[in-house]
Amino acid sequence: AQTVTQSQPEMSVQEAETVTLSCTYDTSENNYYLFWYKQPPSRQMILVIRQEAYKQQNATENRFSVNFQKAAKSFSLKISDSQLGDTAMYFCAFMKHLNTGNQFYFGTGTSLTVIP
Amino acid sequence: GAVVSQHPSWVICKSGTSVKIECRSLDFQATTMFWYRQFPKQSLMLMATSNEGSKATYEQGVEKDKFLINHASLTLSTLTVTSAHPEDSSFYICSASPHSGANVLTFGAGSRLTVL
Repeated sequence: AQTVTQSQPEMSVQEAETVTLSCTYDTSENNYYLFWYKQPPSRQMILVIRQEAYKQQNATENRFSVNFQKAAKSFSLKISDSQLGDTAMYFCAFMKHLNTGNQFYFGTGTSLTVIP
Repeated sequence: GAVVSQHPSWVICKSGTSVKIECRSLDFQATTMFWYRQFPKQSLMLMATSNEGSKATYEQGVEKDKFLINHASLTLSTLTVTSAHPEDSSFYICSASPHSGANVLTFGAGSRLTVL
């Protein structure tokens, strides 16, 4: 079974500073995808960044980057130059392919507060 | 990009009545849609996987007669909460993956159900 663990229920960061959210997962699959989703107070889930497991290069999207350590099954999210709009719940997610379709697994989330 | 529309965004109903929530993929076909339930400050709990043209697959502990799911077309899935009770009050979110296999999950904006 796949599990996704986010060990930080809550975090805070000063505006303009950098913060890292941790995520570990457990799987026996070799090919899979990892995601970070953001859920702001509006509760709309928004894709932040995606990583294919077969790619060694860490994904980056503007101020967001990941540190993907496949052997350690770790997938942390780094937010640089934090902005007030980054305040949200962040969910780490794992996806694998099945014959019946894609299967997604979500972590328990990290509540991030950016302090002005 | 892929857009998923969910309606209504907020509904209040009396105990004992039924409520239908719609989930539409606006610019792509989705053979599979997912329905989640989210309690305050918690992660997404997968309720069921909705498959176009066939019966939904429910997660353990989810009553299929209580939460009726219909996926009649490649762009529409509906969740009907039957004989709603106050404990059914929650935030329900649908999501879909493009049929072409973009390996990403796009979410609707969610529906807040309040049962009086």
